[in-house]
Amino acid sequence: AQSVTQPDIHITVSEGASLELRCNYSYGATPYLFWYVQSPGQGLQLLLKYFSGDTLVQGIKGFEAEFKRSQSSFNLRKPSVHWSDAAEYFCAVGAVTSNQFYFGTGTSLTVIP
Amino acid sequence: GAGVSQTPSNKVTEKGKYVELRCDPISGHTALYWYRQSLGQGPEFLIYFQGTGAADDSGLPNDRFFAVRPEGSVSTLKIQRTERGDSAVYLCASSRDSNQPQHFGDGTRLSIL
Repeated sequence: AQSVTQPDIHITVSEGASLELRCNYSYGATPYLFWYVQSPGQGLQLLLKYFSGDTLVQGIKGFEAEFKRSQSSFNLRKPSVHWSDAAEYFCAVGAVTSNQFYFGTGTSLTVIP
Repeated sequence: GAGVSQTPSNKVTEKGKYVELRCDPISGHTALYWYRQSLGQGPEFLIYFQGTGAADDSGLPNDRFFAVRPEGSVSTLKIQRTERGDSAVYLCASSRDSNQPQHFGDGTRLSIL
């Protein structure tokens, strides 16, 4: 069965510190992988995507993610967090053979000064 | 506007009533998706349209839920005989084509009293 696991429900980091949000997936087909960010009361904004090719992908707002097929992971990273990065982050997986996207349960990020 | 527009932003109604939620996708996007997001959860797939047709409605929870997209642009999600368990944020997303990154609206927060 297809699924996405985000093991960390909530993470707190200090402003300026580095960040890594974990994402593991289970998918029968070759996956397309995405990270979205959601601020309170708003829809989801795409941060980055992986379809094929280079396994390290760059996104907006200084985020990057690395696809590791052997670990079924697609972790999101940022070298220096800003207070405005506080939000909910969702990892999602889809595939060329399916029109359905599966989302994880999200990781809530708090940034402290 | 340039983004996906959803109306109303909030809807409060009584149990047993009928509701319609509207989604206006990005112009030119042929693929349209509806999701339901419960508190503390990631978006859950409901239905996918390619053009005017519902290409995949396997996520609709029961026959009280129905969606249309008669002209291949605006879509309406319809819920009959609403129940308290239907309370959630209903998100709409569109993409240029299937399996492309989805652009989300801000959602409709539905509350069933």
